[in-house]
Amino acid sequence: NAGVTQTPKFQVLKTGQSMTLQCAQDMNHNSMYWYRQDPGMGLRLIYYSASEGTTDKGEVPNGYNVSRLNKREFSLRLESAAPSQTSVYFCASSVGQGGNQPQHFGDGTRLSIL
Amino acid sequence: GNSVTQMEGPVTLSEEAFLTINCTYTATGYPSLFWYVQYPGEGLQLLLKATKADDKGSNKGFEATYRKETTSFHLEKGSVQVSDSAVYFCALSFAGSARQLTFGSGTQLTVLP
Repeated sequence: NAGVTQTPKFQVLKTGQSMTLQCAQDMNHNSMYWYRQDPGMGLRLIYYSASEGTTDKGEVPNGYNVSRLNKREFSLRLESAAPSQTSVYFCASSVGQGGNQPQHFGDGTRLSIL
Repeated sequence: GNSVTQMEGPVTLSEEAFLTINCTYTATGYPSLFWYVQYPGEGLQLLLKATKADDKGSNKGFEATYRKETTSFHLEKGSVQVSDSAVYFCALSFAGSARQLTFGSGTQLTVLP
């Protein structure tokens, strides 16, 4: 009954370091998403993948890259971390693109950039 | 563009009090509306949704009615419990939308025993 699994749960980086956040879902969902959550700003979409083999930019894509490795996995990469990227990152998935499809969220990755 | 505005928190209530969290939206057309809840240290969970005007979503004693005339989707519960303490997010999306959910900023609710 895992749902959406994110790793790691916590990470501290130095400015300029790179890292990849991993996300996997076991619900056979087609669409996957990466959000960041900052105090007072709700969740903002970074990138999404409507289906396997496709990725598109969301509201705040600068400084990030993504890879839809297969139907289950969708990773987020920070090539050169900056303090402004300190945030809580959430991965989500849904059955498919569409306004009525609820999204299922992971528990988040808490990332601090020093 | 689309946007969602929620009442600012934090909101602190005593157990068994009545809860209202206001949510209004700005959008072109008729979106689907959602309330998500985030418990401490966890991801967001769908609480309820409504897909067209006058629909009422309900779950776990919470209710919200899609009001097209006032572009609102206020969350209500008649008697809150300590276990309802969480952050509540209002959100919208459109069918076939490439960018899915647009979230409000969230409202922190604390219920005291």
